[in-house]
Amino acid sequence: DQQVKQNSPSLSVQEGRISILNCDYTNSMFDYFLWYKKYPAEGPTFLISISSIKDKNEDGRFTVFLNKSAKHLSLHIVPSQPGDSAVYFCAASAERYTGNEKLTFGTGTRLTIIP
Amino acid sequence: GAGVSQSPSNKVTEKGKDVELRCDPISGHTALYWYRQSLGQGLEFLIYFQGNSAPDKSGLPSDRFSAERTGGSVSTLTIQRTQQEDSAVYLCASSLGRGGLPDTQYFGPGTRLTVL
Repeated sequence: DQQVKQNSPSLSVQEGRISILNCDYTNSMFDYFLWYKKYPAEGPTFLISISSIKDKNEDGRFTVFLNKSAKHLSLHIVPSQPGDSAVYFCAASAERYTGNEKLTFGTGTRLTIIP
Repeated sequence: GAGVSQSPSNKVTEKGKDVELRCDPISGHTALYWYRQSLGQGLEFLIYFQGNSAPDKSGLPSDRFSAERTGGSVSTLTIQRTQQEDSAVYLCASSLGRGGLPDTQYFGPGTRLTVL
């Protein structure tokens, strides 16, 4: 039972254009959402997050949008740069306020930025 | 400063053998998590340690899996009588463990386990 789904295993985007990565979830208890970026042979690194009380969070070139009614979130990267080429994981947590923030991850989307 | 480290980086073992995977969290981080990523899958939560509290073992897939965290720092994940389906990348993460506030998890590079 995949509670966090990333239906696009891969995405190619021209350098300078916008990259949009999508994520859907099924568990309505999730109240905190994160995006992690992963390079080969490295662990995931935190990119950006959003609380369920918000619908948008922006950090530089990265913006995350949350649509709770649709149980959908997306990550926008603009402008896309070659260094953005990596695997992006969507993750969700349902236990922020207990301190146990065990994450449920999607299967990842491999983003390739074409120079 | 030093990040989360894991050892070994790669482990090849024969079916039925026991393996131990080690995680050194970031100094001062009270929360420690183990996850694994099987081929084509997302990261799957295994176990969570927070300070001196009883660990959350709800993600361990079978009783062949166990983990301990000594002195609130280093953690060891042990897999007994390994099976081929245990082959995966095992990732450790640590965080400050501040209840009630967003708490970023920092991941180590992982241990790639291959069971032949």
